[in-house]
Amino acid sequence: DVKVTQSSRYLVKRTGEKVFLECVQDMDHENMFWYRQDPGLGLRLIYFSYDVKMKEKGDIPEGYSVSREKKERFSLILESASTNQTSMYLCASRPPARQNEQYFGPGTRLTVT
Amino acid sequence: QKEVEQDPGPLSVPEGAIVSLNCTYSNSAFQYFMWYRQYSRKGPELLMYTYSSGNKEDGRFTAQVDKSSKYISLFIRDSQPSDSATYLCAMSGYTGFQKLVFGTGTRLLVSP
Repeated sequence: DVKVTQSSRYLVKRTGEKVFLECVQDMDHENMFWYRQDPGLGLRLIYFSYDVKMKEKGDIPEGYSVSREKKERFSLILESASTNQTSMYLCASRPPARQNEQYFGPGTRLTVT
Repeated sequence: QKEVEQDPGPLSVPEGAIVSLNCTYSNSAFQYFMWYRQYSRKGPELLMYTYSSGNKEDGRFTAQVDKSSKYISLFIRDSQPSDSATYLCAMSGYTGFQKLVFGTGTRLLVSP
């Protein structure tokens, strides 16, 4: 079974703090994704990565950056957290030959106060 | 207009009912159609996917795609309380690196 893990289930941070969200997958997938999920807006793609050290902006990259130094690990960074970044953050990975299958982690519910 | 539209619900049904969940879309380039199930406070899990038009069945679940109408459906037969979750449709094209486009999800409640 594919396993995607995220470093924290719940996180509370203060406005202006730098926040790191970590994601690890154990299936040697090249492609990894970060989404945020908000009521009424669904899943929105923040950043994705084709492979190690490769990254591309998704639909809502403002205020975020990412890092992928190792194949299994994809980190999302909030440079200076703001209250409008309070959300559920979901990481996903995907084998390159099966573009329709994404495997999600359990999510991190981030609250910025 | 959103590329993918999905009624948020909630849809409440009694145990044993047949459930129909639907999405409409506007992008005719979509070729892959997926259904994800998301339990409360969990990440989405892939339930089924179909390629292009047609039906696909897996146990109590049937996925249906009508590309001419740009309409997809997920049917759940003999619904169970354990089916209570949010169901997300997702779609992508076929060529090149494809990102998934998700619907907002329909919340389903199956009462015993």
